[in-house]
Amino acid sequence: DAGITQSPRHKVTETGTPVTLRCHQTENHRYMYWYRQDPGHGLRLIHYSYGVKDTDKGEVSDGYSVSRSKTEDFLLTLESATSSQTSVYFCAISRDPNTDTQYFGPGTRLTVL
Amino acid sequence: GQQVMQIPQYQHVQEGEDFTTYCNSSTTLSNIQWYKQRPGGHPVFLIQLVKSGEVKKQKRLTFQFGEAKKNSSLHITATQTTDVGTYFCAGASGTYKYIFGTGTRLKVLA
Repeated sequence: DAGITQSPRHKVTETGTPVTLRCHQTENHRYMYWYRQDPGHGLRLIHYSYGVKDTDKGEVSDGYSVSRSKTEDFLLTLESATSSQTSVYFCAISRDPNTDTQYFGPGTRLTVL
Repeated sequence: GQQVMQIPQYQHVQEGEDFTTYCNSSTTLSNIQWYKQRPGGHPVFLIQLVKSGEVKKQKRLTFQFGEAKKNSSLHITATQTTDVGTYFCAGASGTYKYIFGTGTRLKVLA
């Protein structure tokens, strides 16, 4: 497996609290992605990054923000968590989305009560 | 926006039977990738198809990319219990991101 880790792996929090998930890679890949996975919806893109400090929105970005201050780290923040954000969150990395595969991290299971 | 539909959503097969999942995009794709996710795990890359009409095989798995580069299929011959999981297609269309299909969950009955 590619060198990609996510932390925390599990988190339970309460509605209204801020939450930050971290994705860390050791592969020096340029592109990084945050997805959420919910039953019946597959993998949906939240935000992605195409370089340090370069980020853009995916299809389900409302309520989420991201930051990438260095190549190896991509942070996903829920400013004020809601129950609808209970999900499994996957980070992925890629060298080039048009020629290369994505490698996924192990996932973070987030529960918002 | 661009959409990738995948059917069927679920498939239960008896061990030894064949299985096929289909992926259809609303737009032309530059490539398509297939991933497998075991229960409780993360998606793992299986294969990438780039050329129109391309067919690739991996042991009992056969992958096809349509002539118009808008659809793809994954066929498993003689399923085994180790094939259990969810199979996703993901398409790229010249931007920085991939669009995933909703996945097909395969259950193999021994």
